[in-house]
Amino acid sequence: GDSVTQMEGPVTLSEEAFLTINCTYTATGYPSLFWYVQYPGEGLQLLLKATKADDKGSNKGFEATYRKETTSFHLEKGSVQVSDSAVYFCALIPPRGGSNYKLTFGKGTLLTVNP
Amino acid sequence: GAGVSQSPSNKVTEKGKDVELRCDPISGHTALYWYRQSLGQGLEFLIYFQGNSAPDKSGLPSDRFSAERTGGSVSTLTIQRTQQEDSAVYLCASSSQTGTVGANYGYTFGSGTRLTVV
Repeated sequence: GDSVTQMEGPVTLSEEAFLTINCTYTATGYPSLFWYVQYPGEGLQLLLKATKADDKGSNKGFEATYRKETTSFHLEKGSVQVSDSAVYFCALIPPRGGSNYKLTFGKGTLLTVNP
Repeated sequence: GAGVSQSPSNKVTEKGKDVELRCDPISGHTALYWYRQSLGQGLEFLIYFQGNSAPDKSGLPSDRFSAERTGGSVSTLTIQRTQQEDSAVYLCASSSQTGTVGANYGYTFGSGTRLTVV
């Protein structure tokens, strides 16, 4: 079945450091890929998405590129802020048909940014 | 309301008791999902409701788990004879669209119910 593997945390960085959180997936066909963020005490929020190969999703300074050849969707940010401290989840949804409504998530990566 | 509302936000129960978790989706959203977030396990799909269609219950871990959605709106997740391994955060999400379109809009998640079985 479909699966998502993301780097285990926790990740601790200083403010203004460069962030990479790795994510790879296993799926049939070409799924849509997502990064969700969960701030302390809040629900998950969609951070960015990409629906086809070579698409780049971006939001709030975060970017991720859909790499079909490496089945990856790594999250990056050039300069993190304390307010970016949260849990980040990589996720996929299958292509049209079948269970095309189930988000499959990675286990999440806790990011802590220190001032 | 403006978002997905879940209640209670925290629930502590004794092993063997039954619990009910409630989800109020965004008004007008036809799709509703329950996920379970366990430490070290990420988020597991539990159940999906879409309009009047039969729900997809394939993610429910055992027959102690059941869910209803009344009138196409409020949903209740019931766990009977709770066990310690049921301790987790139970998240509800709703969407006006399904599949890739819904996910593109970003399913709206509630803040969850933290269940602790002692």
